[in-house]
Amino acid sequence: GAGVSQSPRYKVAKRGQDVALRCDPISGHVSLFWYQQALGQGPEFLTYFQNEAQLDKSGLPSDRFFAERPEGSVSTLKIQRTQQEDSAVYLCASTPGHSSTEAFFGQGTRLTVV
Amino acid sequence: AQSVAQPEDQVNVAEGNPLTVKCTYSVSGNPYLFWYVQYPNRGLQFLLKYITGDNLVKGSYGFEAEFNKSQTSFHLKKPSALVSDSALYFCAVRPMEYGNKLVFGAGTILRVKS
Repeated sequence: GAGVSQSPRYKVAKRGQDVALRCDPISGHVSLFWYQQALGQGPEFLTYFQNEAQLDKSGLPSDRFFAERPEGSVSTLKIQRTQQEDSAVYLCASTPGHSSTEAFFGQGTRLTVV
Repeated sequence: AQSVAQPEDQVNVAEGNPLTVKCTYSVSGNPYLFWYVQYPNRGLQFLLKYITGDNLVKGSYGFEAEFNKSQTSFHLKKPSALVSDSALYFCAVRPMEYGNKLVFGAGTILRVKS
């Protein structure tokens, strides 16, 4: 596809369950970002990749959150032992280069922890 | 700490009237400034950006924004609102000394009534 693709679109997890969220960036885009958007709030930065290197993970809220981009393309955000406070929309964005100014966002994955 | 404030949770305007969605920021240095729009069940879409130069920036769908350095503001404007402009609008900054991540405001719901 032409845009950033995220899957699944919706995920319901029982508290304590592990989840994996996938992001397919625009082909050739070097930089990839994950954001967390709680209900009624703006997106908050989680982590940033340049190719396969995770250059900034300062926004990950706890060690239950882990992200990877092993081949510099598709990225996976994994949340272990999900808690209710993890319920949010998880947005992925990509940019052509590390100095690019416009980020292209996917539709997001809405995670609900019950 | 870097922060973005959107003081209005919701802005209501009649179709054909001018609209303004307010944004102020608190960031050191000279950040890049952005506006994004979010329609229901869709990802964030880029509207416009300010990097440097002319304080009045023109973007997509007839929107423009005015950068005011002394007031640290970046208000979004449109001369004549359309019903189809109804959506959730986010102001964001990219603080240069903190890499490529975006810091978002909480968002403003724009409702345009016919």
